[in-house]
Amino acid sequence: EVQLVESGGGLVQPGRSLRLSCAASGFTFDDYAMHWVRQAPGKGLEWVSSITWSSDQIAYADSVKGRFTISRDNAKNSLDLQMDSLRPDDTALYYCAKGAYPGPAEDWGQGTLVTVSA
Amino acid sequence: DIQMTQSPSTLSASVGDRVTITCRASQDIGSWLAWYQQKPGKAPHLLIYGASSLESGVPSRFSGSGSGTEFTLTISSLQPDDFATYYCQQYDTYSTFGGGTKVEI
Repeated sequence: EVQLVESGGGLVQPGRSLRLSCAASGFTFDDYAMHWVRQAPGKGLEWVSSITWSSDQIAYADSVKGRFTISRDNAKNSLDLQMDSLRPDDTALYYCAKGAYPGPAEDWGQGTLVTVSA
Repeated sequence: DIQMTQSPSTLSASVGDRVTITCRASQDIGSWLAWYQQKPGKAPHLLIYGASSLESGVPSRFSGSGSGTEFTLTISSLQPDDFATYYCQQYDTYSTFGGGTKVEI
């Protein structure tokens, strides 16, 4: 069974940093691209970033480009999202998901909540 | 950037109804489109990929069609479990989600 478990969310002040992690199990991690998708409270889905299995292709939404960094460790079956210069509008539930690149998100975690507030 | 516009934003329907949701892309995305269902407090669930391919385990009452800039998700006979919010997503150039369509009673 595919399991994706996000961690690292919490309350952070504007301008500070936070690092999210996603622990993957139940599938061959380095066979898949991985994605981060977020959802602000009561709002729709927003794609954040994607990374190929080998990390040779990485993409970011314009809203986070230059502030967020996606990375993966295939030996540890883990995906990270380093979030710097956080803003209140980054407040959201952050999901990690597995899939293809380009491609849809086939399986999703349950998300980790990031709240950016003074 | 590619913009995805879904309509309607809210849809009122009854069990047994045929329901159609539309998604329009701001430029040609071929068939690089997916549909998701999301229930309150839950992660999204992939229904359709490649505009018309049904994800494994998804009931056959769900179908997708379209290519280029106009796409539809159809539920042939709405079931109680189908009341949820539906999102389209393009993955032709990076990725963009539509704004969502809430299907309510």
